[in-house]
Amino acid sequence: QKEVEQNSGPLSVPEGAIASLNCTYSDRGSQSFFWYRQYSGKSPELIMFIYSNGDKEDGRFTAQLNKASQYVSLLIRDSQPSDSATYLCAVATTSGTYKYIFGTGTRLKVLA
Amino acid sequence: ETGVTQTPRHLVMGMTNKKSLKCEQHLGHNAMYWYKQSAKKPLELMFVYSLEERVENNSVPSRFSPECPNSSHLFLHLHTLQPEDSALYLCASSRAGQSSYNEQFFGPGTRLTVL
Repeated sequence: QKEVEQNSGPLSVPEGAIASLNCTYSDRGSQSFFWYRQYSGKSPELIMFIYSNGDKEDGRFTAQLNKASQYVSLLIRDSQPSDSATYLCAVATTSGTYKYIFGTGTRLKVLA
Repeated sequence: ETGVTQTPRHLVMGMTNKKSLKCEQHLGHNAMYWYKQSAKKPLELMFVYSLEERVENNSVPSRFSPECPNSSHLFLHLHTLQPEDSALYLCASSRAGQSSYNEQFFGPGTRLTVL
């Protein structure tokens, strides 16, 4: 089982719709969860982080965390073509060895 | 512009060459990281330096040798690489410490091709 799993996509949504990106992780000791966006040919940039169960909203982005289910998601409301990118989930834990694990990413395509 | 710079941006080298990648951060962070990104594979954490001490070395082959002379600079020295080492090498920085709430800021990467 991969430590951090994401569906590779592509996930295609029409412009204006809600895009839902999902991530599951295997280490129950994980403490912090990050969503990065990576445009083709560019480096990852942080969009959001979350470490408490529930929802965290920032503009059009909402991160949702459910530690019992070991699940974290990212919702993008009013999706725009400029949101088309690969979204990387990262999970961090410092219980024992420091670990910061990335998923393979989900490619999102927002269709105009 | 994230405040993390990397040079060179592109590098082509033969298997017998020795080269170095450089990373510099201007964010006042004191932890720095090297990652390898290959096609269709997740970002692989290679090395972590926290407060200038190496705290993580994920079984990286010895042909990759990191150096962190101070909290703002990080190097990756390369020698006798293999073609499968061709990838995008990303540097990142963050605040140090055992807190895992530390988001990382990435540089633009060095695209390495080994012939």
